[in-house]
Amino acid sequence: NAGVMQNPRHLVRRRGQEARLRCSPMKGHSHVYWYRQLPEEGLKFMVYLQKENIIDESGMPKERFSAEFPKEGPSILRIQQVVRGDSAAYFCASSPDLGGSEQYFGPGTRLTVT
Amino acid sequence: SQQGEEDPQALSIQEGENATMNCSYKTSINNLQWYRQNSGRGLVHLILIRSNEREKHSGRLRVTLDTSKKSSSLLITASRAADTASYFCATAPIQGAQKLVFGQGTRLTINP
Repeated sequence: NAGVMQNPRHLVRRRGQEARLRCSPMKGHSHVYWYRQLPEEGLKFMVYLQKENIIDESGMPKERFSAEFPKEGPSILRIQQVVRGDSAAYFCASSPDLGGSEQYFGPGTRLTVT
Repeated sequence: SQQGEEDPQALSIQEGENATMNCSYKTSINNLQWYRQNSGRGLVHLILIRSNEREKHSGRLRVTLDTSKKSSSLLITASRAADTASYFCATAPIQGAQKLVFGQGTRLTINP
C-alpha cells in the first residue's frame, strides 16, 4: 500500500509564475490536508478537503491560493503569482476518517521562488 | 498564542542515553500526536495518545499526557544515532480535530 505521494518534490518558480502542487492520498483515504512549513518552523494547517469539497480552508491565505480535490485524480494546491514569501515546504497528509485519527504525511514539495 | 510548544528547542545527548522532550498546549484536545522529521524530509507518525489516555508505549517510545497541565512528554530510551531528527508534537483540538496544530519542534542530536 503506497503512502501519500506528492509531486513534484522540488519546484522552482520565478516571481509572478504559478505553482501547482499535487497530492495523491493513501489508498482508501478520502480526507486530504495541506500544511506549509517555513524554514526552522513547525507545520501550519492550510486546508482540509474531501472529494469535491473544501471542508475547512481557514489556514489558506485569502488571495492567490486555492485547493481542490476532484472526484478523479490527485488533490491540487495552486499558488498564483508566486512571491518570495511563498518559498516553503508544502506537505500533504491524508486520513481514512474524520478527525481523531492519524494523518499520514507525504514527502513534501519544496517550493523555491526566485 | 500557539499550541504545541516543544521544550527544549534543541537537545544533544550521547548514544545509549534517554531523550525526553516536552510539549505544552493551551486548549482542550481530542488527541495529541508525535511526529519525527529527518532533515529535509517528510514527517513520520510516531504515536497518538487520546485525551482519555495517560500513557502509551511503542517500542522504545513512551508518551505521557497530562490534560490537567496541558502537557505531554516523549521519552526515547536507549537512543541511537538514527534517532537524530526533529520531533514535533501536534494537537488535534476538540473543535476541528482535523486541523493539527504543530509546535516548532525539538531538534534531537544523538552523538556516537
